[in-house]
Amino acid sequence: EDQVTQSPEALRLQEGESSSLNCSYTVSGLRGLFWYRQDPGKGPEFLFTLYSAGEEKEKERLKSTLTKKESFLHITAPKPEDSATYLCAVPTSGSRLTFGEGTQLTVNP
Amino acid sequence: DGGITQSPKYLFRKEGQNVTLSCEQNLNHDAMYWYRQDPGQGLRLIYYSQIVNDFQKGDIAEGYSVSREKKESFPLTVTSAQKNPTAFYLCASSISRGRETGELFFGEGSRLTVL
Repeated sequence: EDQVTQSPEALRLQEGESSSLNCSYTVSGLRGLFWYRQDPGKGPEFLFTLYSAGEEKEKERLKSTLTKKESFLHITAPKPEDSATYLCAVPTSGSRLTFGEGTQLTVNP
Repeated sequence: DGGITQSPKYLFRKEGQNVTLSCEQNLNHDAMYWYRQDPGQGLRLIYYSQIVNDFQKGDIAEGYSVSREKKESFPLTVTSAQKNPTAFYLCASSISRGRETGELFFGEGSRLTVL
């Protein structure tokens, strides 16, 4: 069964304290892994797509990496405005995108 | 500006009533989706459509219905058969073919509360 699991469920950081979020998946024939950011009460916003093991993508203080079984979202020197829920997702059957349950990140000033 | 518009943003319903959530996009995307999100949980797929006049059930379609009569529009009806309809509903669209199918554009969501 295709599964996407994110950890930790919640993460509190001090401003400037770097850390990583994890997204592990079990799908056959990975056709991409997608990261999204969701602010409270809003729809998710697309961040990155990774297609093959070893691939990396960066955007401001965020860097995503992909291995054959998991993806990491590294946050370097985070700021309070980085506080959000981060979701990862993988395509499963057909056009379906299966989402993990997300990591709620809080960055304190 | 191109985007997805969901309405209403907040909706209250009495038990036994059907309600319809609107979703309109002007991105010229072929594929559209409805997701449900419960507190502290990820997104669960209700229905999706890759082309006009065609749609498929997602993982939690029971108690919901959709139509896709126009490329721009994909309304969702929450029927009285849905046992626990209180949730945050998200509509999304994407290019239906190629590597971009996972790059979804989401609306702002509709929060439905059953009284």
